[in-house]
Amino acid sequence: NAGVTQTPKFRILKIGQSMTLQCTQDMNHNYMYWYRQDPGMGLKLIYYSVGAGITDKGEVPNGYNVSRSTTEDFPLRLELAAPSQTSVYFCASIRRAGNEQFFGPGTRLTVL
Amino acid sequence: KNQVEQSPQSLIILEGKNCTLQCNYTVSPFSNLRWYKQDTGRGPVSLTIMTFSENTKSNGRYTATLDADTKQSSLHITASQLSDSASYICVVSDGNYGGSQGNLIFGKGTKLSVKP
Repeated sequence: NAGVTQTPKFRILKIGQSMTLQCTQDMNHNYMYWYRQDPGMGLKLIYYSVGAGITDKGEVPNGYNVSRSTTEDFPLRLELAAPSQTSVYFCASIRRAGNEQFFGPGTRLTVL
Repeated sequence: KNQVEQSPQSLIILEGKNCTLQCNYTVSPFSNLRWYKQDTGRGPVSLTIMTFSENTKSNGRYTATLDADTKQSSLHITASQLSDSASYICVVSDGNYGGSQGNLIFGKGTKLSVKP
């Protein structure tokens, strides 16, 4: 099992550009999450999904979009990147409620 | 508002010493409490998960305690090693996996540095 994989590892964007952060898990987990982690702050939930075809907003969804067409993939789309979106982004998954949560290695994004 | 507070913010100890990290929460309802270890530049890794009925749980040199009455938890690290240098994050679940927070509330973490 590769677990949760994320690409790219690093990215620099210019203001107004768009990009998609990829997240894939091979553990057949139902729940998937996108978080952002700003320096000195706790992880904040952007979007989550409880299964293929079902997504919902978290605490900080503005400026982002997601889709979940398969169980394995949960891409995060940034439209019109802004400096406030400079952060480290983590994807995570859980098989079912109450289980251990597995995180990907993160994507470090800088918007200039 | 659901919150998880951790203390201290940072801690420096010598290799071989023990230390205890604290977590206070105001999450309601309570489902479970998790401790994660996050190495610099990496994603968090789960250390323990405790439910309401569990007072203590160990994972090697890591021992977590939970007092659901006072809404406090601690993570005790025994005989610290250089590889224990990391951030330790306390996370509380309200059990509502379909809710607006996706059910997990994260603390800001305690940054532990173990020096030789």
